[in-house]
Amino acid sequence: NAGVMQNPRHLVRRRGQEARLRCSPMKGHSHVYWYRQLPEEGLKFMVYLQKENIIDESGMPKERFSAEFPKEGPSILRIQQVVRGDSAAYFCASSPPTGADEQYFGPGTRLTVT
Amino acid sequence: RKEVEQDPGPFNVPEGATVAFNCTYSNSASQSFFWYRQDCRKEPKLLMSVYSSGNEDGRFTAQLNRASQYISLLIRDSKLSDSATYLCVVRKGGGGNKLTFGTGTQLKVEL
Repeated sequence: NAGVMQNPRHLVRRRGQEARLRCSPMKGHSHVYWYRQLPEEGLKFMVYLQKENIIDESGMPKERFSAEFPKEGPSILRIQQVVRGDSAAYFCASSPPTGADEQYFGPGTRLTVT
Repeated sequence: RKEVEQDPGPFNVPEGATVAFNCTYSNSASQSFFWYRQDCRKEPKLLMSVYSSGNEDGRFTAQLNRASQYISLLIRDSKLSDSATYLCVVRKGGGGNKLTFGTGTQLKVEL
C-alpha cells in the first residue's frame, strides 16, 4: 500500500529556470495539499486541490507559482523563473475524499536554486 | 502573533524520562488538532489526533483545552528513537482543510 509519492526527491535549478514538482496521492485519496518548508522554518500551506479543481490557493505566492491536479496523473506544482528564495523543501500531503481530517505526507522534494 | 506557538526547545532528557510539550493556538475557530513528528530532513508523520476528552496512544498522551486554546503532549518512558521535532498542528473548520503548523519543539533523548 504505497504512501504519498513525490518526485524528484532532489531538484537543482539555476535562477530563471522552471521547476516542476510531482505528487501522487495515496491510493483512494482525492485531496492533495502542497506545503513549503523554508530552512529553519515551519511548514506553510500553499494550495489545496481536488481532481481538476483548486479549492484553496490562499498560501500560493501571487506570481510564478501554479498548481494543478488533472483528472489523470499526478498533481504538479510549477515554479517559473525560480529565484534563490524558492530553495526549500516542498511537501505534498493527501487525504481521503470526505470526512477525514488527517493528512499524510510524502517524502518531499528538496529544491535548490543556484 | 503566530497562529500556533510552541517552545522551540531543545528539550534534552535522559532515556526513561517523562517529557511534556505545550502549544497554544490563536484562532478560536480551529476545529481539529494534531501532533506530528518530523525527523531531520524528513516528512512530517502523524503521531496522533487530539480530542477534547484527551486521548492516549501507548506512551503518548494528548490533551486539548479549548477554553484556553492550549494543546499538550506527554511522552512517558522516553526512548532514544523519540528524538525528533514535535509539531503542533491545527485545522480551522468551515470547510477549509489547510493545516497550520507550529515551528516545532525539538526533543533529544540521551543515554
